[in-house]
Amino acid sequence: AQTVTQSQPEMSVQEAETVTLSCTYDTSESDYYLFWYKQPPSRQMILVIRQEAYKQQNATENRFSVNFQKAAKSFSLKISDSQLGDAAMYFCAYRRFNQFYFGTGTSLTVIP
Amino acid sequence: KAGVTQTPRYLIKTRGQQVTLSCSPISGHRSVSWYQQTPGQGLQFLFEYFSETQRNKGNFPGRFSGRQFSNSRSEMNVSTLELGDSALYLCASNPAGGNTGELFFGEGSRLTVL
Repeated sequence: AQTVTQSQPEMSVQEAETVTLSCTYDTSESDYYLFWYKQPPSRQMILVIRQEAYKQQNATENRFSVNFQKAAKSFSLKISDSQLGDAAMYFCAYRRFNQFYFGTGTSLTVIP
Repeated sequence: KAGVTQTPRYLIKTRGQQVTLSCSPISGHRSVSWYQQTPGQGLQFLFEYFSETQRNKGNFPGRFSGRQFSNSRSEMNVSTLELGDSALYLCASNPAGGNTGELFFGEGSRLTVL
């Protein structure tokens, strides 16, 4: 069974600094998709970034980028120039066909 | 385009009661999934519906059920509520058809069981 592990329940970062959130997953498949979702205190989850497993190039979206290591089954999220609005729960997710699997989340605090 | 809408946003029930939660997906989205979110457990998959058919089901007891209507709106029902059912229930829609897209989430229904 596919599992997604986020080993950092809580993280903190100073405003304007960089932080990396970790995610590992377990799969025997070669074709799948990975996502990072953000859930602010208002609760609605929104997509931060996605990565197709067949692409070697790491995805980037403005201040957000990933380090995708397929062989190591690792998918970390780097947030650069952290802002107060980045404070939220972050969930890593794996998709294979129409099945999604989520990690337990990392709560990110941004310190002014 | 309107987002995923869930109702009610908050509700309080007592043990033994039942509850029905509703979800209206984004227009054109045919897949609706339900998740239970509790602190420390993350998101636990309940079930997924596509074109009125349950396509996938998570590892939850039979007290948890759902359905999808022809307009893609979905409901989930929990019968004989237990204290442990207190959680945030999230609905998510997806265009489906393919298997590459992300989920679009609603704001959730916060259920408290007393």
